Amino acid sequence: EVQLVESGGGLVKPGGSLRLSCAASGFTVSNAWMTWVRQVPGKGLEWVGRIKRKTDGGTIDYAAPVKGRFTISRDDSKNTLYLQMNSLKIEDTGVYYCSTDYWGQGTLVTVSS
Amino acid sequence: DIQMTQSPSSLSASVGDRVTIACLASQSVGNYLNWYQLKPGKAPKLLIYGASSLQSGVPSRFSASGSGTDYTLTISSLQPEDFATYYCQQSYSTPLTFGGGTKVEIK
Repeated sequence: EVQLVESGGGLVKPGGSLRLSCAASGFTVSNAWMTWVRQVPGKGLEWVGRIKRKTDGGTIDYAAPVKGRFTISRDDSKNTLYLQMNSLKIEDTGVYYCSTDYWGQGTLVTVSS
Repeated sequence: DIQMTQSPSSLSASVGDRVTIACLASQSVGNYLNWYQLKPGKAPKLLIYGASSLQSGVPSRFSASGSGTDYTLTISSLQPEDFATYYCQQSYSTPLTFGGGTKVEIK
């Protein structure tokens, strides 16, 4: 059974950092196109970024609002996807999901002073 | 960026009703169009990929069609578990973009 479990969310001050993790089971992260998506409370979905599978070059793309501040990576030995978030802004607040064809339940990030 | 416009933004329907949700792209997305279902507190679910292909495990009352810039999701007979918010997404080009969502509520 495919499962994705996000963790690492929490409350952080503007300008701070967080690293989100997405532990996968039932498939191999390096063989999949993995995506981070966020949902601002009460609003819609916003694509954050994506990493292609290794056989497709492993290219990483980011949404403009997070480019230069967020970094997507993966640890094949742990079958885990990461989202390193630096220089956090209030508008980065939301529930962050990792996904392929399946999604995790998300982890809440709150940026507030 | 490709803009995705969904309509309606919300609708009220009864169990058994046929429901249709529209999604319009600002330019052709070449059938790289996905539909998702979101329920509070649950993991979002992929329903449809490639504009019309039903994801494994999704009930056959869900169907979708379209091409170019115009796409639709149809629920042939609404069930209690279908009350949720639905989003279209284009995966034709980055940044991948979502529609604004359609909330399906109980009449």
